[in-house]
Amino acid sequence: EAQVTQNPRYLITVTGKKLTVTCSQNMNHEYMSWYRQDPGLGLRQIYYSMNVEVTDKGDVPEGYKVSRKEKRNFPLILESPSPNQTSLYFCASTDRGFNGYTFGSGTRLTVV
Amino acid sequence: AQSVTQLGSHVSVSEGALVLLRCNYSSSVPPYLFWYVQYPNQGLQLLLKYTTGATLVKGINGFEAEFKKSETSFHLTKPSAHMSDAAEYFCAVSENNAGNMLTFGGGTRLMVKP
Repeated sequence: EAQVTQNPRYLITVTGKKLTVTCSQNMNHEYMSWYRQDPGLGLRQIYYSMNVEVTDKGDVPEGYKVSRKEKRNFPLILESPSPNQTSLYFCASTDRGFNGYTFGSGTRLTVV
Repeated sequence: AQSVTQLGSHVSVSEGALVLLRCNYSSSVPPYLFWYVQYPNQGLQLLLKYTTGATLVKGINGFEAEFKKSETSFHLTKPSAHMSDAAEYFCAVSENNAGNMLTFGGGTRLMVKP
C-alpha cells in the first residue's frame, strides 16, 4: 500500500530534550515536506526537500532541523524543544508531477 | 507571495442540504489549487485538484470545485450533504509544480446535522 509513515503518533516530552520524528514513504517520491498544524492557522510548512541531500526552509523553520540522506526518509529533529512547538505535525510526499501531497497520519507532540 | 482565505471556520448544514465551502486565493501566477479533507485523528486526504484545463473539477465523495480566475476563487460544493462528510476541509494553492510552495488556508470545519 502506498503510504507515508510517521512515528511516533503521540509524544510528550520535556523542554530541552532532543527528539526526532521519523517519516518514511514507499512511493519513490522526490519531494517531501514537514508541516505543523495549529488551530485557526491551517498547515504551515516547516522544511521541504526536493531530493536526496537537497533541503530548504519553509515558512516556520526556527527550532527545527531535517535531513534527507535517503530518498524514502525525511526525519524532523527538534534539538531543544520548547512549549511553543507543541503542535500536530505532518509529513507529506509528492512526485515530480505534483499530483498533490500524500500525508502521513500525524504526530501529536506536547512539550511541557 | 501567495495566500489562501477560507471564509467561515465553521459551517453547519443539514443532511441532504447543499454544501458550499468558500476559498479565495492570491497568486501572482496561474495557480495550482487543491482541496483536502481531514477526518478526526487522521492525516489529510486529497479531495480534488486543479492544475490546467477544465475549470470545473470533480473529486471523490461527490465533491466538486470550480476555478474562477476573475474572482480568484475555488469554492468547494456538494449537492447533498451526508453525515460522513463531517470533517475539516483545507484549501491550498501552489504557484509551481515543484511541491515546495503549497500554502494552506486556515481550514473550515463542516458539521452535518441529522
